[in-house]
Amino acid sequence: GAVVSQHPSWVICKSGTSVKIECRSLDFQATTMFWYRQFPKQSLMLMATSNEGSKATYEQGVEKDKFLINHASLTLSTLTVTSAHPEDSSFYICSDTSGYTDTQYFGPGTRLTVL
Amino acid sequence: SQQGEEDPQALSIQEGENATMNCSYKTSINNLQWYRQNSGRGLVHLILIRSNEREKHSGRLRVTLDTSKKSSSLLITASRAADTASYFCATGTQNSGGSNYKLTFGKGTLLTVNP
Repeated sequence: GAVVSQHPSWVICKSGTSVKIECRSLDFQATTMFWYRQFPKQSLMLMATSNEGSKATYEQGVEKDKFLINHASLTLSTLTVTSAHPEDSSFYICSDTSGYTDTQYFGPGTRLTVL
Repeated sequence: SQQGEEDPQALSIQEGENATMNCSYKTSINNLQWYRQNSGRGLVHLILIRSNEREKHSGRLRVTLDTSKKSSSLLITASRAADTASYFCATGTQNSGGSNYKLTFGKGTLLTVNP
C-alpha cells in the first residue's frame, strides 16, 4: 500500500497558539487527502476532505476557520489548528487516495496536547 | 455521524482461536472496509468488500457482507498475540459531489489475543 507520513508525531502547545500538522504522500500523487480526529478510546471522525488545488470540504460541525487545511501540492496537505484550546487535544490522522481507488492509506497520526 | 457499529466492543481470546467481529450500518454503501489500529498508531487497511460482493478472503481474514441486513463480519482464524489491536469497520460512500469516496468509521472492537 501507499506510504503516508505525518509530522510531527506529537506536539504539546499552550492554549491560544496555533499548530501546523503536515501530511505527506511519499510514493504517489495524492489528489485527495482526508483529515480525521480521534479522541481516546473512540473512533475516527472525518473532519474534512482536502483536494489538491481547491478548497477543502468540511464535515458538518467542523469549524473551517479553526481547522485550516491547505493542499497545495499532490504530495502535501497541512492542517493548522488555530488558537488551540484543551478541548482540541486529540489524535489527528490523515489519509490519502489517488482518487482511482476506494482504499485510503493512513498516516501514523499526530498526538496534539493543548495545555 | 457514526455509520458503523461494531460488536462486540471488546473481545479476549486465546492464541489459536478464531475471532469474529461484526459491524452494522444504516445507509446504503459503495463498499465496506476493515482497518486495524495498534494502540496510539495509524490505521492499516485490511480488506475491502464491495456492495455487490458477499464474501472475501485475504490470508487468515474472511469478510462477509450482507447488504439486506446492512451488516458485515470479520473473521480472523488461528489468531496470534500479534493480532492484538483495535479493529474498525468503515463504510465507503460517494460524497455529494460524486467525485470522491469518504469513509465513515464504526466505534471499533478491541481484540486481545492472549499467548
